[in-house]
Amino acid sequence: DGGITQSPKYLFRKEGQNVTLSCEQNLNHDAMYWYRQDPGQGLRLIYYSQIVNDFQKGDIAEGYSVSREKKESFPLTVTSAQKNPTAFYLCASSIIAYTGELFFGEGSRLTVL
Amino acid sequence: KQEVTQIPAALSVPEGENLVLNCSFTDSAIYNLQWFRQDPGKGLTSLLLIQSSQREQTSGRLNASLDKSSGRSTLYIAASQPGDSATYLCAVRPSSGSARQLTFGSGTQLTVLP
Repeated sequence: DGGITQSPKYLFRKEGQNVTLSCEQNLNHDAMYWYRQDPGQGLRLIYYSQIVNDFQKGDIAEGYSVSREKKESFPLTVTSAQKNPTAFYLCASSIIAYTGELFFGEGSRLTVL
Repeated sequence: KQEVTQIPAALSVPEGENLVLNCSFTDSAIYNLQWFRQDPGKGLTSLLLIQSSQREQTSGRLNASLDKSSGRSTLYIAASQPGDSATYLCAVRPSSGSARQLTFGSGTQLTVLP
């Protein structure tokens, strides 16, 4: 079945540590996205990628980094520079970047201890 | 800057009732609008996508309408069931700009009581 797989589902991190969240899609979509969701708020865009080896900052990119070496994969690293990293992280993809319908993975919940 | 509002934030209805969820947006220059469902602790599931040229879209018991000029969309759920309990989010995509990324509302949490 085609879809988007995020791992791990739950992740605990000590302050000062970097962590990487995985996102893999087998939908053959060109565009991929990372969003952050906090309680009572709408989703906020962290980074997006229109095509392999290209990515752009979203609204809240500070303290995060990404790479897009393969079409299927778009990992997100939450660095120690992110001041408030505890959140629910959602990866999404669309056929093309600017107009396509968005499809989401199941999310990864990061908790900083 | 586009703002998307969903009111009410929470809604409880008895099973079998027809209901309407609201989504309003401040900038009518949109390319499309998408409705999603989110179950607790899960990702978003796409329900309906309405292009700016369309007035409505239907899928099963769901019907979404779009009125660009008034900056409104509604999601109509017919004959609600307890399994419809979830948070419903809308998101709009602008029709211009370099990024044209979605702006999300905060959602309406729906509870359908058996």
